[in-house]
Amino acid sequence: NAGVTQTPKFRVLKTGQSMTLLCAQDMNHEYMYWYRQDPGMGLRLIHYSVGEGTTAKGEVPDGYNVSRLKKQNFLLGLESAAPSQTSVYFCASRPTTDTQYFGPGTRLTVL
Amino acid sequence: GDSVTQMEGPVTLSEEAFLTINCTYTATGYPSLFWYVQYPGEGLQLLLKATKADDKGSNKGFEATYRKETTSFHLEKGSVQVSDSAVYFCALSDPTSYGKLTFGQGTILTVHP
Repeated sequence: NAGVTQTPKFRVLKTGQSMTLLCAQDMNHEYMYWYRQDPGMGLRLIHYSVGEGTTAKGEVPDGYNVSRLKKQNFLLGLESAAPSQTSVYFCASRPTTDTQYFGPGTRLTVL
Repeated sequence: GDSVTQMEGPVTLSEEAFLTINCTYTATGYPSLFWYVQYPGEGLQLLLKATKADDKGSNKGFEATYRKETTSFHLEKGSVQVSDSAVYFCALSDPTSYGKLTFGQGTILTVHP
């Protein structure tokens, strides 16, 4: 099993550009999450999904959209990137009752 | 809402020293508590967890006990190694919230030979 994978690993954007981060898991987990990690602030939840076709807002959802069209994939979109979205993004997945498993992260820089 | 507070870092220790990283939490329900570890350039890995009061989680020589009376989940290790150098995150999950995690700010640990 590959576990949780994230694409791309690194990306540099200019302000106003758009992009999509892909998270994939091969463990048949129901729940998936997107977090961002900023220095001194731990990880904060952006959006999450409790099953295929469902999404919900987390703590810091503004400026992001998500989609879960297939159970194994959870996409995070930035429609118009801003420097404040420079961060490391982590995806995680979880069965209905167990701990979360994290991907390796995507480092995004917005200039 | 729920929150987690970790001791300020960074923490620098010599090999074989005793480690304590303090973690306290605020939650309205009965959360599960976790310690995650992040090695340089990697994602987060679960280190240990506890799901109810007085439970002790342990793994790789690390331990933490769920103390409801003091709302704490302090991480301890009797003898640290250079390979333990990493960032440590305390987190909680309310069982009614679809497993969403609330994290502390993280503590950077550096162990010198």
